[in-house]
Amino acid sequence: DVKVTQSSRYLVKRTGEKVFLECVQDMDHENMFWYRQDPGLGLRLIYFSYDVKMKEKGDIPEGYSVSREKKERFSLILESASTNQTSMYLCASSRGDRAGASGNTIYFGEGSWLTVV
Amino acid sequence: AQSVTQLDSHVSVSEGTPVLLRCNYSSSYSPSLFWYVQHPNKGLQLLLKYTSAATLVKGINGFEAEFKKSETSFHLTKPSAHMSDAAEYFCVVSVLRGAGSYQLTFGKGTKLSVIP
Repeated sequence: DVKVTQSSRYLVKRTGEKVFLECVQDMDHENMFWYRQDPGLGLRLIYFSYDVKMKEKGDIPEGYSVSREKKERFSLILESASTNQTSMYLCASSRGDRAGASGNTIYFGEGSWLTVV
Repeated sequence: AQSVTQLDSHVSVSEGTPVLLRCNYSSSYSPSLFWYVQHPNKGLQLLLKYTSAATLVKGINGFEAEFKKSETSFHLTKPSAHMSDAAEYFCVVSVLRGAGSYQLTFGKGTKLSVIP
């Protein structure tokens, strides 16, 4: 079974702190994603990576950065946490082959609940 | 551009009765379509997907969905609801964008309640 592991399930951080959310997948997937999920807004893409050291901005990248130094690991960084970043963060991964790529299943982690106070 | 509309934010059914969760999409290209389920405090789990093969797709836990191109719909159904089906369901459209990447668009979700 594909496993996407988010190491921190619940975090409480103070405004202005630097926050790291770590995600590891064990299926050698090329693509990795970070989403933010808020009630009534659904899932919104923060950043996307299709290869090591490659990244693309999603719909709401402001206030976030990412790092992908190894294929299996994709980190989301909040340089200076703010209260409006209180949310559930979901990491996901998928294969990146071109043929039928749009039909590749996206596998999700269990989510990280971040509260910024 | 592509979009996904889940027509109901909340659906309530009695245990043992049919489930219908509605999804309409728009896409300039041939899409792949997915349904995911999310139980409380959990990540999203794939229920089923359509990728241009058979238009009637069967998924896990007795769910199925039919791709209707003329209606741009991909509604999720189940003949008989079970208490464990209570969760939030997301319809997703995916379109190939190039360089091995693709654009995913999520619906806003439908919360399914099952009444004993």
